[in-house]
Amino acid sequence: NAGVTQTPKFRVLKTGQSMTLLCAQDMNHEYMYWYRQDPGMGLRLIHYSVGEGTTAKGEVPDGYNVSRLKKQNFLLGLESAAPSQTSVYFCASSYSLNTEAFFGQGTRLTVV
Amino acid sequence: KQEVTQIPAALSVPEGENLVLNCSFTDSAIYNLQWFRQDPGKGLTSLLLIQSSQREQTSGRLNASLDKSSGRSTLYIAASQPGDSATYLCAVSFRSFGNEKLTFGTGTRLTIIP
Repeated sequence: NAGVTQTPKFRVLKTGQSMTLLCAQDMNHEYMYWYRQDPGMGLRLIHYSVGEGTTAKGEVPDGYNVSRLKKQNFLLGLESAAPSQTSVYFCASSYSLNTEAFFGQGTRLTVV
Repeated sequence: KQEVTQIPAALSVPEGENLVLNCSFTDSAIYNLQWFRQDPGKGLTSLLLIQSSQREQTSGRLNASLDKSSGRSTLYIAASQPGDSATYLCAVSFRSFGNEKLTFGTGTRLTIIP
């Protein structure tokens, strides 16, 4: 039972480069989330999805795009990376708003 | 604005002591509150989930309580052990249309001194 899996675990990007972070869950969850975690800021929501084919903006969506073409996958894209996007990114999923949320192990991204 | 606050930011206690971690939130209209544990460099592990209709949940040495009317939750850890050292985060699912997310506190970093 893999739970929530994030790929990659680490990445270094140069300013202006693009990349996609992949989140996969095998629990048939409807809700999926992308958070970023920065020292002293806690976890802040970037984008989320309440079902296949849906996405919505969170607190800090600028500079990111997402897609949920398949129920089990939630992709986070950075079109033109900036040093301010250096952070640890976490994906999470839950069956509903009333149920437990499960988190991936995180992706540590550094933009130089 | 719907916010979650955890005070203190850091706490150190000797091994064997019982301790309480605090979480407060600004809106009593919630679906649930969840406590997580995060070890350095790792992801979040769910510890306890309390539904809005519940007053407490227990798992082993952990007991979480919820008082919606006062906007408070506590996580009680009995007979603390060095392995309990971690950052503990609480997160609230607020009942708000178009706000389908967990709102996190900034966490309490707990150190158990052997």
